[in-house]
Amino acid sequence: AQSVTQLDSHVSVSEGTPVLLRCNYSSSYSPSLFWYVQHPNKGLQLLLKYTSAATLVKGINGFEAEFKKSETSFHLTKPSAHMSDAAEYFCVVSDGRAFNKFYFGSGTKLNVKP
Amino acid sequence: EAGVTQFPSHSVIEKGQTVTLRCDPISGHDNLYWYRRVMGKEIKFLLHFVKESKQDESGMPNNRFLAERTGGTYSTLKVQPAELEDSGVYFCASSSTGGYTGELFFGEGSRLTVL
Repeated sequence: AQSVTQLDSHVSVSEGTPVLLRCNYSSSYSPSLFWYVQHPNKGLQLLLKYTSAATLVKGINGFEAEFKKSETSFHLTKPSAHMSDAAEYFCVVSDGRAFNKFYFGSGTKLNVKP
Repeated sequence: EAGVTQFPSHSVIEKGQTVTLRCDPISGHDNLYWYRRVMGKEIKFLLHFVKESKQDESGMPNNRFLAERTGGTYSTLKVQPAELEDSGVYFCASSSTGGYTGELFFGEGSRLTVL
Protein backbone atom coordinates (compact mmCIF):
# COMPACT_ATOMS: atom_id res chain seq x y z
CA ALA A 1 0.00 0.00 0.00
CA GLN A 2 1.08 3.55 -0.65
CA SER A 3 1.04 6.34 1.90
CA VAL A 4 2.71 9.64 2.61
CA THR A 5 3.49 11.25 5.95
CA GLN A 6 4.30 14.91 6.18
CA LEU A 7 5.86 15.29 9.56
CA ASP A 8 4.99 18.92 10.16
CA SER A 9 1.59 20.49 9.63
CA HIS A 10 3.03 23.99 10.06
CA VAL A 11 6.53 25.34 9.53
CA SER A 12 7.54 28.93 10.21
CA VAL A 13 10.81 30.44 9.01
CA SER A 14 12.25 33.90 8.64
CA GLU A 15 12.83 35.36 5.22
CA GLY A 16 16.30 34.49 4.01
CA THR A 17 16.68 31.38 6.17
CA PRO A 18 16.61 27.78 4.93
CA VAL A 19 13.42 25.82 4.46
CA LEU A 20 13.02 22.13 5.26
CA LEU A 21 9.69 20.37 4.74
CA ARG A 22 9.79 16.73 5.68
CA CYS A 23 8.12 13.85 3.89
CA ASN A 24 8.28 10.10 4.40
CA TYR A 25 6.57 7.65 2.13
CA SER A 26 5.58 4.04 2.00
CA SER A 27 5.31 2.21 -1.28
CA SER A 28 5.19 -1.40 -2.29
CA TYR A 29 6.57 -0.57 -5.70
CA SER A 30 9.16 1.75 -7.17
CA PRO A 31 7.47 5.05 -6.51
CA SER A 32 7.33 8.33 -8.29
CA LEU A 33 7.38 11.21 -5.87
CA PHE A 34 6.22 14.77 -6.26
CA TRP A 35 5.98 18.00 -4.38
CA TYR A 36 3.08 20.30 -5.17
CA VAL A 37 2.44 23.79 -3.82
CA GLN A 38 -0.86 25.54 -3.34
CA HIS A 39 -1.00 29.28 -2.87
CA PRO A 40 -4.23 30.73 -1.45
CA ASN A 41 -7.14 30.45 -3.87
CA LYS A 42 -4.92 28.86 -6.49
CA GLY A 43 -4.65 25.39 -7.94
CA LEU A 44 -1.96 22.89 -7.07
CA GLN A 45 1.26 23.56 -8.92
CA LEU A 46 4.03 21.04 -9.48
CA LEU A 47 7.31 22.03 -7.81
CA LEU A 48 9.37 18.99 -8.72
CA LYS A 49 9.20 15.26 -9.30
CA TYR A 50 11.34 12.19 -8.84
CA THR A 51 10.90 9.36 -11.31
CA SER A 52 13.84 6.99 -10.73
CA ALA A 53 16.47 9.16 -12.36
CA ALA A 54 18.78 11.41 -10.32
CA THR A 55 18.08 11.21 -6.60
CA LEU A 56 18.59 14.95 -6.13
CA VAL A 57 15.83 16.72 -7.94
CA LYS A 58 15.75 20.42 -8.66
CA GLY A 59 12.47 22.21 -9.09
CA ILE A 60 11.10 25.63 -9.67
CA ASN A 61 11.72 28.69 -7.51
CA GLY A 62 14.95 27.30 -6.03
CA PHE A 63 13.40 24.26 -4.37
CA GLU A 64 15.00 20.86 -4.44
CA ALA A 65 14.38 17.45 -2.89
CA GLU A 66 16.46 14.37 -2.33
CA PHE A 67 15.10 10.86 -2.70
CA LYS A 68 16.57 8.60 -0.02
CA LYS A 69 15.37 5.06 -0.48
CA SER A 70 17.06 3.75 2.67
CA GLU A 71 15.19 6.34 4.74
CA THR A 72 12.03 6.32 2.59
CA SER A 73 12.20 10.08 2.63
CA PHE A 74 11.75 12.86 0.09
CA HIS A 75 12.34 16.07 2.01
CA LEU A 76 11.90 19.44 0.31
CA THR A 77 14.50 22.14 0.86
CA LYS A 78 15.31 25.66 -0.19
CA PRO A 79 18.43 27.54 0.87
CA SER A 80 16.78 30.90 1.42
CA ALA A 81 13.08 31.50 1.98
CA HIS A 82 11.22 34.29 0.26
CA MET A 83 7.97 35.86 1.34
CA SER A 84 6.32 34.52 -1.80
CA ASP A 85 7.07 30.95 -0.66
CA ALA A 86 4.33 31.15 1.95
CA ALA A 87 1.85 28.49 0.87
CA GLU A 88 0.78 24.94 1.56
CA TYR A 89 3.02 22.16 0.28
CA PHE A 90 1.98 18.61 -0.50
CA CYS A 91 4.19 15.57 -0.82
CA VAL A 92 2.71 13.03 -3.22
CA VAL A 93 3.54 9.44 -4.11
CA SER A 94 2.29 7.80 -7.25
CA ASP A 95 1.31 4.18 -7.35
CA GLY A 96 3.76 2.59 -9.72
CA ARG A 97 1.14 0.11 -10.83
CA ALA A 98 -1.83 2.30 -11.50
CA PHE A 99 -2.09 5.19 -13.86
CA ASN A 100 -1.44 8.40 -11.97
CA LYS A 101 -3.18 7.36 -8.80
CA PHE A 102 -1.68 9.93 -6.49
CA TYR A 103 -1.52 9.59 -2.72
CA PHE A 104 -1.23 12.91 -0.93
CA GLY A 105 0.28 13.83 2.37
CA SER A 106 -1.78 15.97 4.70
CA GLY A 107 0.09 19.12 3.71
CA THR A 108 2.53 21.49 5.40
CA LYS A 109 1.70 25.16 5.69
CA LEU A 110 4.79 27.27 5.35
CA ASN A 111 4.79 30.68 6.98
CA VAL A 112 7.58 33.11 6.10
CA LYS A 113 8.21 35.93 8.53
CA PRO A 114 9.74 39.20 7.40
CA GLU B 1 -2.90 27.62 -23.22
CA ALA B 2 -5.77 27.53 -20.78
CA GLY B 3 -5.31 25.47 -17.65
CA VAL B 4 -7.80 23.24 -15.89
CA THR B 5 -10.87 25.23 -15.03
CA GLN B 6 -13.49 24.36 -12.45
CA PHE B 7 -16.91 25.79 -11.80
CA PRO B 8 -18.29 26.93 -9.43
CA SER B 9 -15.42 28.08 -7.28
CA HIS B 10 -17.66 27.97 -4.23
CA SER B 11 -21.09 26.49 -3.65
CA VAL B 12 -23.18 26.66 -0.50
CA ILE B 13 -26.17 24.34 -0.33
CA GLU B 14 -28.41 22.78 2.27
CA LYS B 15 -28.36 19.16 3.25
CA GLY B 16 -30.48 17.14 0.86
CA GLN B 17 -29.98 19.43 -2.11
CA THR B 18 -28.13 18.61 -5.29
CA VAL B 19 -24.94 20.17 -6.57
CA THR B 20 -23.11 19.68 -9.84
CA LEU B 21 -19.47 20.56 -10.19
CA ARG B 22 -17.88 21.00 -13.56
CA CYS B 23 -14.32 20.55 -14.76
CA ASP B 24 -12.83 21.54 -18.08
CA PRO B 25 -9.45 19.85 -18.54
CA ILE B 26 -6.59 21.13 -20.61
CA SER B 27 -7.45 20.66 -24.24
CA GLY B 28 -6.21 17.35 -25.57
CA HIS B 29 -5.74 15.72 -22.18
CA ASP B 30 -7.33 12.30 -22.22
CA ASN B 31 -6.89 11.69 -18.51
CA LEU B 32 -9.15 13.47 -16.06
CA TYR B 33 -9.18 12.99 -12.31
CA TRP B 34 -11.32 14.08 -9.42
CA TYR B 35 -9.87 14.50 -5.94
CA ARG B 36 -11.39 15.76 -2.73
CA ARG B 37 -10.05 17.38 0.39
CA VAL B 38 -12.29 17.26 3.43
CA MET B 39 -11.77 19.39 6.56
CA GLY B 40 -8.05 20.01 6.02
CA LYS B 41 -7.28 16.33 5.76
CA GLU B 42 -5.45 14.58 2.96
CA ILE B 43 -6.43 15.15 -0.62
CA LYS B 44 -7.99 11.87 -1.68
CA PHE B 45 -8.54 10.30 -5.04
CA LEU B 46 -12.13 9.92 -6.20
CA LEU B 47 -11.95 8.68 -9.77
CA HIS B 48 -10.11 8.69 -13.07
CA PHE B 49 -11.44 8.99 -16.60
CA VAL B 50 -9.60 8.05 -19.75
CA LYS B 51 -11.48 9.93 -22.40
CA GLU B 52 -15.13 9.18 -21.64
CA SER B 53 -14.51 5.89 -19.83
CA LYS B 54 -14.11 5.45 -16.10
CA GLN B 55 -10.70 3.87 -15.59
CA ASP B 56 -10.87 3.76 -11.81
CA GLU B 57 -13.68 4.88 -9.54
CA SER B 58 -12.51 3.15 -6.41
CA GLY B 59 -12.36 6.39 -4.45
CA MET B 60 -15.99 7.40 -4.89
CA PRO B 61 -17.42 7.45 -1.36
CA ASN B 62 -20.94 6.20 -2.11
CA ASN B 63 -23.70 6.15 -4.70
CA ARG B 64 -24.72 9.73 -3.96
CA PHE B 65 -21.79 10.75 -6.14
CA LEU B 66 -22.06 10.50 -9.91
CA ALA B 67 -19.32 11.52 -12.31
CA GLU B 68 -19.67 11.79 -16.04
CA ARG B 69 -17.48 12.79 -18.93
CA THR B 70 -19.63 12.88 -22.00
CA GLY B 71 -17.67 13.02 -25.23
CA GLY B 72 -14.39 12.82 -23.39
CA THR B 73 -14.12 16.56 -22.86
CA TYR B 74 -15.45 18.25 -19.75
CA SER B 75 -16.57 16.32 -16.71
CA THR B 76 -19.27 16.81 -14.11
CA LEU B 77 -19.47 15.53 -10.58
CA LYS B 78 -22.95 15.47 -9.10
CA VAL B 79 -23.71 15.02 -5.45
CA GLN B 80 -27.32 14.03 -4.80
CA PRO B 81 -28.51 14.35 -2.09
CA ALA B 82 -25.72 16.25 -0.39
CA GLU B 83 -24.81 15.46 3.21
CA LEU B 84 -22.87 17.50 5.74
CA GLU B 85 -19.79 15.29 5.41
CA ASP B 86 -19.57 16.10 1.70
CA SER B 87 -18.28 19.57 2.50
CA GLY B 88 -14.78 20.12 1.25
CA VAL B 89 -12.76 21.18 -1.75
CA TYR B 90 -13.12 19.16 -4.92
CA PHE B 91 -10.13 19.27 -7.23
CA CYS B 92 -10.02 18.27 -10.84
CA ALA B 93 -6.80 17.39 -12.62
CA SER B 94 -5.85 16.34 -16.10
CA SER B 95 -2.85 14.84 -17.83
CA SER B 96 -1.83 13.88 -21.30
CA THR B 97 0.15 10.78 -20.39
CA GLY B 98 -1.26 7.77 -18.62
CA GLY B 99 1.95 6.52 -17.13
CA TYR B 100 2.83 6.98 -13.50
CA THR B 101 5.53 9.49 -14.30
CA GLY B 102 3.08 11.92 -15.76
CA GLU B 103 2.44 15.28 -14.17
CA LEU B 104 -1.09 16.15 -13.16
CA PHE B 105 -2.32 19.67 -13.83
CA PHE B 106 -4.80 20.79 -11.22
CA GLY B 107 -7.62 23.27 -11.25
CA GLU B 108 -8.21 25.74 -8.45
CA GLY B 109 -10.85 23.56 -6.88
CA SER B 110 -14.54 23.88 -6.13
CA ARG B 111 -15.31 24.50 -2.48
CA LEU B 112 -18.55 22.85 -1.40
CA THR B 113 -20.23 23.82 1.84
CA VAL B 114 -23.23 21.78 2.94
CA LEU B 115 -25.29 23.34 5.72
